[in-house]
Amino acid sequence: AIQMTQSPSSLSASVGDRVTITCRASQGIRSDLGWYQQKPGKAPKLLIYAASTLQSGVPSRFSGSGSGTDFTLTISSLQPEDFASYYCLQDYDYPRTFGQGTKVEIK
Amino acid sequence: QVQMVESGGGVVQPGMSLRLSCAASGFTFSSYNMHWVRQAPGKGLEWVAVISYDGGNKYYADSVKGRFTISRDNSKNTLDLQMSSLRDEDTAVYYCARSQMHTIGGVIAELLDYWGQGTLVTVSS
Repeated sequence: AIQMTQSPSSLSASVGDRVTITCRASQGIRSDLGWYQQKPGKAPKLLIYAASTLQSGVPSRFSGSGSGTDFTLTISSLQPEDFASYYCLQDYDYPRTFGQGTKVEIK
Repeated sequence: QVQMVESGGGVVQPGMSLRLSCAASGFTFSSYNMHWVRQAPGKGLEWVAVISYDGGNKYYADSVKGRFTISRDNSKNTLDLQMSSLRDEDTAVYYCARSQMHTIGGVIAELLDYWGQGTLVTVSS
């Protein structure tokens, strides 16, 4: 199975900060990667697919980049509603695999 | 609007079985692959299984292979997860999710665009 290594596992940031989360695949996965946001007690929400395509309705402060093995989710200016956990998910092969998650907390 | 509602969760003893269901509405259920994803208390997301739109293809996580069976009834717009030989580590909130396919630059991208609210399964003696 493809392993997805996500970092950091948590971070503290302030409103307005630029935040970067990375995901590394154990093998090349082209651009077959999505990013999901999850708030406590809620279902995950799709932010980005195909590594860099913004899902409809998602604010443009979210962006994704990368291909092959290294991927990045960037929040350009952190907003209060962005404090949540974030997960990458590879859709290159089965079994699908998530990164371990990154919890973004208020500094 | 698109809606998916999971049911069937509860408390079950190790080694026992449980069947989860996901009732879908607001879209043509028979046109979409469907997934189960779970989340143990305080832990991250774990992909569990997928079934193709027609039920012809199924894939499982290694952690559940041979114990869990995914199925669907397109006439009733329902997705099921039959779980047997349950273990303590199967304790989790189980989500169903719809799979959407987009073609980008000749490559098919899969995205999980709608999720249910989840149902809690607790395996405990």
